[in-house]
Amino acid sequence: RKEVEQDPGPFNVPEGATVAFNCTYSNSASQSFFWYRQDCRKEPKLLMSVYSSGNEDGRFTAQLNRASQYISLLIRDSKLSDSATYLCVVNRGSNYKLTFGKGTLLTVNP
Amino acid sequence: DARVTQTPRHKVTEMGQEVTMRCQPILGHNTVFWYRQTMMQGLELLAYFRNRAPLDDSGMPKDRFSAEMPDATLATLKIQPSEPRDSAVYFCASGLVLVETGMFYGYTFGSGTRLTVV
Repeated sequence: RKEVEQDPGPFNVPEGATVAFNCTYSNSASQSFFWYRQDCRKEPKLLMSVYSSGNEDGRFTAQLNRASQYISLLIRDSKLSDSATYLCVVNRGSNYKLTFGKGTLLTVNP
Repeated sequence: DARVTQTPRHKVTEMGQEVTMRCQPILGHNTVFWYRQTMMQGLELLAYFRNRAPLDDSGMPKDRFSAEMPDATLATLKIQPSEPRDSAVYFCASGLVLVETGMFYGYTFGSGTRLTVV
């Protein structure tokens, strides 16, 4: 089983739609979690950290379920500029070494 | 905004040649990573350093790859000899980790070196 697994998509949604991405991780000792965003032919950029209590940043909401080893990202009122690949990222332990999922491709259509 | 600077941005080389990629981490960051990204494998960790000391290079083919941090402002990744299967985008990322307190501020990626080995 891969350490971090994501649905590769692609997700094609109209502007204004709500879209949710899911991610599972295999190592129960994982300590911190992130969502990164990667535009085509660009570097990954930190979108948001994921906290145990869940957290929100504008239109973006991240949730963590440690018991199920599951992370989610919800995007509300999606914009054309949200089109990108969304990478689920897990820090396994005290070494702060990040393991990336292969990403979910989102295309928001006009 | 502070940036991680990688050079060169693009490199085309012939099989068997040596390739050196360079990374200037953000000033003050104590942790530096090298990742490789391909369509098939996604982002794979090759090596990483904390306070210039190598912590883990288990993801790196040792026979041809080497990673070093000669000083706090420079990290290098070398491939010798290069092979067509090394064609990928190589990213450097840096961040500040305070191990004693568990404070961790996330990592910033450079723009990458797109390597093509023909």
